Amino acid sequence: GQQLNQSPQSMFIQEGEDVSMNCTSSSIFNTWLWYKQDPGEGPVLLIALYKAGELTSNGRLTAQFGITRKDSFLNISASIPSDVGIYFCATRGSNYKLTFGKGTLLTVNP
Amino acid sequence: EAGVAQSPRYKIIEKRQSVAFWCNPISGHATLYWYQQILGQGPKLLIQFQNNGVVDDSQLPKDRFSAERLKGVDSTLKIQPAKLEDSAVYLCASSQVPGLALYEQYFGPGTRLTVT
Repeated sequence: GQQLNQSPQSMFIQEGEDVSMNCTSSSIFNTWLWYKQDPGEGPVLLIALYKAGELTSNGRLTAQFGITRKDSFLNISASIPSDVGIYFCATRGSNYKLTFGKGTLLTVNP
Repeated sequence: EAGVAQSPRYKIIEKRQSVAFWCNPISGHATLYWYQQILGQGPKLLIQFQNNGVVDDSQLPKDRFSAERLKGVDSTLKIQPAKLEDSAVYLCASSQVPGLALYEQYFGPGTRLTVT
Protein backbone atom coordinates (compact mmCIF):
# COMPACT_ATOMS: atom_id res chain seq x y z
CA GLY A 1 0.00 0.00 0.00
CA GLN A 2 0.91 3.66 0.02
CA GLN A 3 3.75 4.68 2.31
CA LEU A 4 4.65 8.13 3.56
CA ASN A 5 8.18 8.79 4.77
CA GLN A 6 8.05 11.43 7.46
CA SER A 7 11.17 13.01 8.97
CA PRO A 8 12.60 13.64 11.37
CA GLN A 9 11.18 11.05 13.75
CA SER A 10 11.72 13.37 16.71
CA MET A 11 13.01 16.85 17.47
CA PHE A 12 14.11 18.51 20.68
CA ILE A 13 14.32 22.29 20.42
CA GLN A 14 14.49 25.41 22.56
CA GLU A 15 11.51 27.70 22.88
CA GLY A 16 11.63 30.41 20.23
CA GLU A 17 13.38 28.28 17.60
CA ASP A 18 11.90 27.52 14.20
CA VAL A 19 11.07 23.93 13.25
CA SER A 20 10.81 22.19 9.90
CA MET A 21 9.56 18.70 9.12
CA ASN A 22 8.69 16.99 5.87
CA CYS A 23 6.94 14.09 4.27
CA THR A 24 7.73 12.29 1.01
CA SER A 25 6.10 9.58 -1.03
CA SER A 26 6.82 7.60 -4.17
CA SER A 27 3.24 8.22 -5.31
CA ILE A 28 1.50 11.37 -6.52
CA PHE A 29 -1.30 12.83 -4.41
CA ASN A 30 -3.87 15.59 -4.86
CA THR A 31 -4.13 16.43 -1.18
CA TRP A 32 -1.66 16.80 1.66
CA LEU A 33 -2.82 17.27 5.24
CA TRP A 34 -0.95 18.06 8.45
CA TYR A 35 -2.34 16.98 11.83
CA LYS A 36 -1.19 17.46 15.41
CA GLN A 37 -1.88 14.94 18.16
CA ASP A 38 -1.60 15.81 21.85
CA PRO A 39 -1.16 13.04 24.43
CA GLY A 40 -4.40 11.19 25.08
CA GLU A 41 -6.23 12.97 22.29
CA GLY A 42 -7.12 12.37 18.69
CA PRO A 43 -5.36 14.14 15.80
CA VAL A 44 -6.46 17.68 14.98
CA LEU A 45 -6.19 19.08 11.45
CA LEU A 46 -3.75 22.00 11.21
CA ILE A 47 -3.43 22.70 7.50
CA ALA A 48 -4.91 21.22 4.33
CA LEU A 49 -3.22 21.61 0.92
CA TYR A 50 -5.12 20.91 -2.30
CA LYS A 51 -2.89 22.22 -5.12
CA ALA A 52 0.69 21.54 -6.18
CA GLY A 53 2.93 24.44 -5.17
CA GLU A 54 0.37 25.77 -2.70
CA LEU A 55 1.80 27.53 0.35
CA THR A 56 -0.64 27.93 3.25
CA SER A 57 -0.24 29.48 6.68
CA ASN A 58 -2.15 29.03 9.92
CA GLY A 59 -0.73 31.40 12.50
CA ARG A 60 2.88 30.40 13.12
CA LEU A 61 2.49 27.30 10.95
CA THR A 62 3.27 27.23 7.25
CA ALA A 63 2.94 24.23 4.97
CA GLN A 64 3.69 23.69 1.29
CA PHE A 65 2.46 21.17 -1.25
CA GLY A 66 5.47 20.10 -3.33
CA ILE A 67 5.52 20.82 -7.07
CA THR A 68 6.08 17.14 -7.85
CA ARG A 69 2.97 16.30 -5.74
CA LYS A 70 5.09 13.72 -3.93
CA ASP A 71 6.10 15.75 -0.90
CA SER A 72 5.11 18.38 1.62
CA PHE A 73 6.73 20.26 4.46
CA LEU A 74 5.52 21.95 7.61
CA ASN A 75 7.32 24.83 9.32
CA ILE A 76 6.62 26.17 12.79
CA SER A 77 8.10 29.56 13.59
CA ALA A 78 9.01 30.87 17.05
CA SER A 79 8.06 27.66 18.83
CA ILE A 80 6.31 27.77 22.21
CA PRO A 81 5.84 25.04 24.84
CA SER A 82 2.29 24.23 23.70
CA ASP A 83 3.66 23.21 20.29
CA VAL A 84 4.75 19.96 21.96
CA GLY A 85 3.08 16.94 20.42
CA ILE A 86 3.21 14.56 17.50
CA TYR A 87 2.81 16.00 14.01
CA PHE A 88 1.49 13.76 11.25
CA CYS A 89 1.34 14.25 7.53
CA ALA A 90 -1.46 12.50 5.68
CA THR A 91 -2.59 12.06 2.12
CA ARG A 92 -5.95 11.23 0.64
CA GLY A 93 -6.40 8.34 -1.78
CA SER A 94 -9.38 6.56 -3.23
CA ASN A 95 -12.67 6.71 -1.31
CA TYR A 96 -11.20 9.73 0.49
CA LYS A 97 -9.22 7.30 2.62
CA LEU A 98 -6.43 8.93 4.61
CA THR A 99 -2.94 7.45 4.89
CA PHE A 100 -0.78 8.84 7.70
CA GLY A 101 2.97 9.11 8.13
CA LYS A 102 4.61 7.77 11.28
CA GLY A 103 4.76 11.18 12.88
CA THR A 104 7.35 13.64 14.17
CA LEU A 105 7.55 13.96 17.95
CA LEU A 106 8.29 17.57 18.88
CA THR A 107 9.61 18.53 22.30
CA VAL A 108 10.06 22.20 23.18
CA ASN A 109 12.34 23.13 26.06
CA PRO A 110 11.11 26.32 27.82
CA GLU B 1 -20.76 21.93 18.59
CA ALA B 2 -20.07 18.67 20.41
CA GLY B 3 -17.14 16.66 19.12
CA VAL B 4 -16.80 12.97 18.41
CA ALA B 5 -17.47 10.98 21.58
CA GLN B 6 -15.86 7.63 22.33
CA SER B 7 -16.10 5.21 25.22
CA PRO B 8 -14.53 3.71 27.14
CA ARG B 9 -11.33 5.78 27.21
CA TYR B 10 -9.26 2.89 28.52
CA LYS B 11 -9.68 -0.87 28.54
CA ILE B 12 -7.47 -3.67 29.76
CA ILE B 13 -8.35 -7.25 28.83
CA GLU B 14 -6.65 -10.61 28.63
CA LYS B 15 -5.92 -12.23 25.30
CA ARG B 16 -8.77 -14.27 23.85
CA GLN B 17 -11.33 -12.06 25.61
CA SER B 18 -13.80 -9.87 23.75
CA VAL B 19 -14.07 -6.09 23.80
CA ALA B 20 -16.33 -3.46 22.25
CA PHE B 21 -15.82 0.23 21.62
CA TRP B 22 -18.51 2.81 21.04
CA CYS B 23 -18.47 5.99 18.95
CA ASN B 24 -20.94 8.83 18.58
CA PRO B 25 -20.02 11.07 15.63
CA ILE B 26 -20.64 14.77 15.24
CA SER B 27 -24.31 15.42 14.56
CA GLY B 28 -25.08 15.41 10.87
CA HIS B 29 -21.84 13.75 9.78
CA ALA B 30 -22.67 11.02 7.32
CA THR B 31 -19.25 9.39 7.19
CA LEU B 32 -17.69 7.54 10.11
CA TYR B 33 -14.24 5.97 10.34
CA TRP B 34 -12.49 3.62 12.73
CA TYR B 35 -8.70 3.79 12.91
CA GLN B 36 -6.15 1.71 14.77
CA GLN B 37 -3.08 3.56 16.05
CA ILE B 38 -0.24 1.39 17.30
CA LEU B 39 2.31 3.11 19.52
CA GLY B 40 4.84 5.03 17.47
CA GLN B 41 2.81 4.96 14.27
CA GLY B 42 0.19 7.01 12.53
CA PRO B 43 -3.48 5.99 12.52
CA LYS B 44 -4.41 3.21 10.09
CA LEU B 45 -7.93 3.04 8.68
CA LEU B 46 -9.85 -0.10 9.65
CA ILE B 47 -13.31 0.64 8.27
CA GLN B 48 -15.25 3.52 6.71
CA PHE B 49 -19.04 3.89 6.81
CA GLN B 50 -21.19 6.13 4.65
CA ASN B 51 -24.43 6.43 6.62
CA ASN B 52 -24.99 2.78 7.63
CA GLY B 53 -23.22 1.19 4.66
CA VAL B 54 -19.59 0.04 4.53
CA VAL B 55 -17.46 1.93 2.01
CA ASP B 56 -14.05 0.42 2.79
CA ASP B 57 -13.12 -2.39 5.16
CA SER B 58 -10.11 -3.69 3.25
CA GLN B 59 -7.79 -3.37 6.25
CA LEU B 60 -10.17 -4.78 8.85
CA PRO B 61 -9.05 -8.22 10.17
CA LYS B 62 -12.45 -9.73 9.60
CA ASP B 63 -11.69 -12.99 11.38
CA ARG B 64 -11.71 -11.16 14.71
CA PHE B 65 -12.86 -7.57 14.13
CA SER B 66 -16.40 -6.48 13.35
CA ALA B 67 -18.11 -3.12 13.20
CA GLU B 68 -21.60 -1.85 12.67
CA ARG B 69 -23.33 1.47 12.36
CA LEU B 70 -27.00 0.89 12.92
CA LYS B 71 -29.31 3.71 11.87
CA GLY B 72 -26.35 5.59 10.40
CA VAL B 73 -25.40 7.36 13.63
CA ASP B 74 -23.55 5.60 16.47
CA SER B 75 -21.08 2.85 15.74
CA THR B 76 -19.50 -0.03 17.63
CA LEU B 77 -16.25 -1.81 16.91
CA LYS B 78 -15.75 -5.28 18.39
CA ILE B 79 -12.74 -7.52 18.73
CA GLN B 80 -13.34 -11.20 19.43
CA PRO B 81 -11.04 -12.84 20.44
CA ALA B 82 -8.35 -10.27 21.21
CA LYS B 83 -4.66 -10.87 20.56
CA LEU B 84 -1.65 -9.21 22.13
CA GLU B 85 -0.95 -7.32 18.90
CA ASP B 86 -4.36 -5.63 19.14
CA SER B 87 -2.99 -3.38 21.89
CA ALA B 88 -3.40 0.10 20.41
CA VAL B 89 -5.47 3.26 20.49
CA TYR B 90 -8.72 2.93 18.54
CA LEU B 91 -9.78 6.25 17.08
CA CYS B 92 -13.16 7.14 15.68
CA ALA B 93 -13.54 10.02 13.24
CA SER B 94 -16.43 11.53 11.34
CA SER B 95 -16.86 13.91 8.44
CA GLN B 96 -19.47 15.41 6.22
CA VAL B 97 -20.10 13.69 2.90
CA PRO B 98 -16.75 13.30 1.09
CA GLY B 99 -16.35 15.46 -1.98
CA LEU B 100 -16.94 18.78 -0.30
CA ALA B 101 -14.17 21.26 -0.93
CA LEU B 102 -13.42 21.69 2.75
CA TYR B 103 -13.46 18.00 3.55
CA GLU B 104 -12.18 17.35 7.05
CA GLN B 105 -12.19 14.44 9.45
CA TYR B 106 -12.77 15.20 13.13
CA PHE B 107 -11.29 12.68 15.52
CA GLY B 108 -12.49 11.53 18.92
CA PRO B 109 -10.10 11.12 21.88
CA GLY B 110 -9.69 7.40 21.27
CA THR B 111 -9.90 4.24 23.37
CA ARG B 112 -6.58 2.89 24.61
CA LEU B 113 -6.73 -0.93 24.59
CA THR B 114 -4.17 -3.03 26.41
CA VAL B 115 -4.26 -6.79 25.84
CA THR B 116 -2.29 -8.82 28.40
